[in-house]
Amino acid sequence: QLQLQESGPGLVKPSETLSLTCTVSGGSISSSSYYWGWIRQPPGKGLEWIGSVYYSGNTNYSPSLKSRLTISVDTSNNQFSLKLRSVTAADTAVYYCARQTSTSLNWFDPWGQGTLVTVSS
Amino acid sequence: DIQMTQSPSSLSASVGHTVTITCRASQSISSYLNWYQRKPGKAPKLLIYAASSLQSGVPSRFSGSGSGTDFTLTLSSLQPEDFATYYCQQGYSSPYNFGQGTKLEIK
Repeated sequence: QLQLQESGPGLVKPSETLSLTCTVSGGSISSSSYYWGWIRQPPGKGLEWIGSVYYSGNTNYSPSLKSRLTISVDTSNNQFSLKLRSVTAADTAVYYCARQTSTSLNWFDPWGQGTLVTVSS
Repeated sequence: DIQMTQSPSSLSASVGHTVTITCRASQSISSYLNWYQRKPGKAPKLLIYAASSLQSGVPSRFSGSGSGTDFTLTLSSLQPEDFATYYCQQGYSSPYNFGQGTKLEIK
């Protein structure tokens, strides 16, 4: 059964870079059938798609975050990563990683448990 | 960007009853609409994809319908484990926006 697990610091200072890694187990990240995505949920708000990466390294980013965002893939370790630069309190959220179908349906399943990242000095 | 609007934002219902959640897209998305369930402290779970296709392992009391801009998620014969927050998500075009969520509570 495919499982995803987020890891990274739970506290990041304003203006610094938020870095998270998602480790995929029970399946290969190099499957041609899927992208690998990041989604977040700020406290009291809805879900927001951040961006996705294909095993080849091709990426697709949310326009609202594109200027600060890098998503990369490490096929040798079955992981993909998120780096969000110049963070502010507005970036405080639970961050989820998820598998995204590469068909035009673009659904996300399964998801990781999520990790809370707080931006504060 | 395609905006997704869910209604209601919250509702109360009793076990055994049927509820319907609606989701409206700001433009036509054909049938590229997915539904998720999220329980506190747990990972969101895909329930329905392509507007009406039930994800493997999801009970048949969940059903989805709609196309174009208007969609519904129906939960029949509510069970205690169904009380959660539900989200729609459009898969038609990037950015893949979600609705703001509908919190289903026990009456």
